[in-house]
Amino acid sequence: QQPVQSPQAVILREGEDAVINCSSSKALYSVHWYRQKHGEAPVFLMILLKGGEQKGHDKISASFNEKKQQSSLYLTASQLSYSGTYFCGTQSPYNNAGNMLTFGGGTRLMVKP
Amino acid sequence: DAGITQSPRYKITETGRQVTLMCHQTWSHSYMFWYRQDLGHGLRLIYYSAAADITDKGEVPDGYVVSRSKTENFPLTLESATRSQTSVYFCATSSGLHTDTQYFGPGTRLTVL
Repeated sequence: QQPVQSPQAVILREGEDAVINCSSSKALYSVHWYRQKHGEAPVFLMILLKGGEQKGHDKISASFNEKKQQSSLYLTASQLSYSGTYFCGTQSPYNNAGNMLTFGGGTRLMVKP
Repeated sequence: DAGITQSPRYKITETGRQVTLMCHQTWSHSYMFWYRQDLGHGLRLIYYSAAADITDKGEVPDGYVVSRSKTENFPLTLESATRSQTSVYFCATSSGLHTDTQYFGPGTRLTVL
């Protein structure tokens, strides 16, 4: 079953912060975050492997609550280049061969000057 | 290092014709995946392969055929294209290590008239 992402879309001004959530009804082994710009391929941002793990990548960070089966992506002091669609991909502990992922429906983020 | 490439990048065909989309990788990754991306559906897995000569169905395999005679190539064939198969198709690869993720090719935009 597909993980649920929220919000579906968000509009920000440059410098504002945003949080994107990814929630699963099933147990998770890992969560992978991607960003996709219009007309391009999804680009890997980060992977979270452990419950409660938090990772950072420039001003983009993420957390993973294994017990709640949820992950959140935090975008701080957003830049124009952050615009795009963000996808979470979840990996089951029962079928993690080959990094099999089930993707959420995506969150469209637009950053305006 | 080309990484992962897809060809053609754009294809227009007619209903009933056979179409083959190519995917080639230079990383020697064991796992390869085919996804389709449609508005409102995110990324849906069509087929995947764990190694040469090993393939398995994903979420939406009907109407598609795959083969993998060599590790580096994973072609996707639409045996008799239908309008509902108009979509953007992405190939992805993974090493299969639990700390790794999937890496996407640039995509093929297919239109079936």
